[in-house]
Amino acid sequence: EAGVVQSPRYKIIEKKQPVAFWCNPISGHNTLYWYRQNLGQGPELLIRYENEEAVDDSQLPKDRFSAERLKGVDSTLKIQPAELGDSAVYLCASSLGRRRQGIYEQYFGPGTRLTVT
Amino acid sequence: KQEVTQIPAALSVPEGENLVLNCSFTDSAIYNLQWFRQDPGKGLTSLLLIQSSQREQTSGRLNASLDKSSGRSTLYIAASQPGDSATYLCAVIPQGGSEKLVFGKGTKLTVNP
Repeated sequence: EAGVVQSPRYKIIEKKQPVAFWCNPISGHNTLYWYRQNLGQGPELLIRYENEEAVDDSQLPKDRFSAERLKGVDSTLKIQPAELGDSAVYLCASSLGRRRQGIYEQYFGPGTRLTVT
Repeated sequence: KQEVTQIPAALSVPEGENLVLNCSFTDSAIYNLQWFRQDPGKGLTSLLLIQSSQREQTSGRLNASLDKSSGRSTLYIAASQPGDSATYLCAVIPQGGSEKLVFGKGTKLTVNP
């Protein structure tokens, strides 16, 4: 079974430039998450999707960040314009969402390391 | 607000030693607790998931325990190997929230040959 796929793996841009990250979740996983991990910290949720619907985007800086999940499969996270403080690893995760069994196991992709100069 | 703390922040041990990593959380109302491994420059690999109704889970040389009432979990690694060197992250999913994982900052483990 293929895992969560993310691209690109690394991205270096100048501040004020736009950048986009792509995620393909595990087949059949209806829940998709975007997390941001700053250096030396644990990941923090940016947005969660249930199929096509963004059900929790309370931590997404909406002035510069946007996300979409067309057709409930792949997802794209965009930053425009990027700031120096956006340098971090952006992680995508997916879950089967087996809530009735009390299981919420999340599977993570390799992440995209963003450096803003 | 749920907070997760991991102690120690870093640990260095000789090969073959048994070791324990600690995780504590402030609110016992959780669905799951999950332990992850993160290698430098890589994503997170799920090691063990413990549901709130469970006390422990085992996988190979790893054993994770959960004491929900006291807000604690431990990850026990038996007979450590240099390949175990990585950062270990603990995370919980709080009940009644957005089903997001709340992470600790991790414990960086180095196993010396």
